Amino acid sequence: QVQLKESGPVLVQASETLSLTCTVSGFSLTTFGVIWVRQPPGKGLEWMAIIWNNGNTDYNSTLKSRLSIDRDTSKSQVFLKMNSLQTDDTAIYYCTREDYWGQGVMVTVSS
Amino acid sequence: DVVLTQTPSTLSATIGQSVSISCRSSQSLLDSARNTYLYWYLQRPGQSPQLLIYLVSNLGSGVPNRFSGSGSGTDFTLKISGVEAEDLGVYHCMQATHAWTFGGGTKLELK
Repeated sequence: QVQLKESGPVLVQASETLSLTCTVSGFSLTTFGVIWVRQPPGKGLEWMAIIWNNGNTDYNSTLKSRLSIDRDTSKSQVFLKMNSLQTDDTAIYYCTREDYWGQGVMVTVSS
Repeated sequence: DVVLTQTPSTLSATIGQSVSISCRSSQSLLDSARNTYLYWYLQRPGQSPQLLIYLVSNLGSGVPNRFSGSGSGTDFTLKISGVEAEDLGVYHCMQATHAWTFGGGTKLELK
């Protein structure tokens, strides 16, 4: 069945770079795009980036300068990197196919 | 950027009551191919969002038919015909016609 699972550090220092991995199963990354979405504690959802099935990428304009999304189709993995972290980047980070979502990974940015 | 405005922000209901949530877009979500990429999700406490409705009115896999979606252009509605206890949580609308944006969420609670 379709599954997505996020992995990455739970604690990151301010000004550092966050690296997250989304490992998918039950579908191919060459058939479906994968989106990263984040949710600060107690707040709403924010789209961050997408890597399309053809490998093209798009970014939220407000975060674009800090983000990089990539993939390894042989490992069924999508990668997200975000630099210059600040405390307000503390959030649950999800990867999603729009119809299926991962469980999310809670990342805390410490000053 | 497209802004989605959800109302109400909080909804109190009794079991069995029918309720509706509105999602209004700052611009039309109809694309050049005449598709409207408007989705509805339910996020139960401590869980990731789960798909309820896609493309305005299509029921997600395994979603009970007490959920229904309607609307066009800039105005969309999610209706629950007979709230059940498992429906409590936060409802999010999302558009994917112009990149991706989410509404602010509607919390459904028991009266």
